[in-house]
Amino acid sequence: KNQVEQSPQSLIILEGKNCTLQCNYTVSPFSNLRWYKQDTGRGPVSLTIMTFSENTKSNGRYTATLDADTKQSSLHITASQLSDSASYICVVLSDYNNNDMRFGAGTRLTVKP
Amino acid sequence: GAVVSQHPSWVICKSGTSVKIECRSLDFQATTMFWYRQFPKQSLMLMATSNEGSKATYEQGVEKDKFLINHASLTLSTLTVTSAHPEDSSFYICSASSAGGSYEQYFGPGTRLTVT
Repeated sequence: KNQVEQSPQSLIILEGKNCTLQCNYTVSPFSNLRWYKQDTGRGPVSLTIMTFSENTKSNGRYTATLDADTKQSSLHITASQLSDSASYICVVLSDYNNNDMRFGAGTRLTVKP
Repeated sequence: GAVVSQHPSWVICKSGTSVKIECRSLDFQATTMFWYRQFPKQSLMLMATSNEGSKATYEQGVEKDKFLINHASLTLSTLTVTSAHPEDSSFYICSASSAGGSYEQYFGPGTRLTVT
């Protein structure tokens, strides 16, 4: 069973709308949680990195939240743009040596005009 | 920001041949590099972790004799797919991190391998 579960699997929204992607994890111990954006045929690009003590972190129109007690994270995208169409991957690190990354399956977001 | 490049970006080869993929950290020294493969509509799967000057550590189920990894310098790691078969066709992505326990892992743009 995957220790990082993302929902929804896919999402279609209209340009300009907001959306929220979810990530639940059971990984333990916990080091940090990351959200990546991956365009089709490209490598992932980091959006946010959150440690245990951080509840919210923003990067432009992207805002990530983390509830380490319930082991849930969300990525909120504001005023979506066509270029936001991509897969968004939640990754949880289990160790402090950066070598144990647990990947979610990703949410495929499509923004339509 | 830190940049990781991969070469080639795509390659087509015949079954039975070997293919080498390069991963370079362009503006930082990467003490650790990671190799992933990704099948369509699936997430990344870690294949191996390599530290500069050391033998790579392979994940369970990954054949080390088939996927040869060399990390000879702090800026270059190579993945060689030996005796490639059609089932090796995939998207191969590398990532790199620098020394010091940094949180960040920087991903390359990926290499699309098609074995015919």
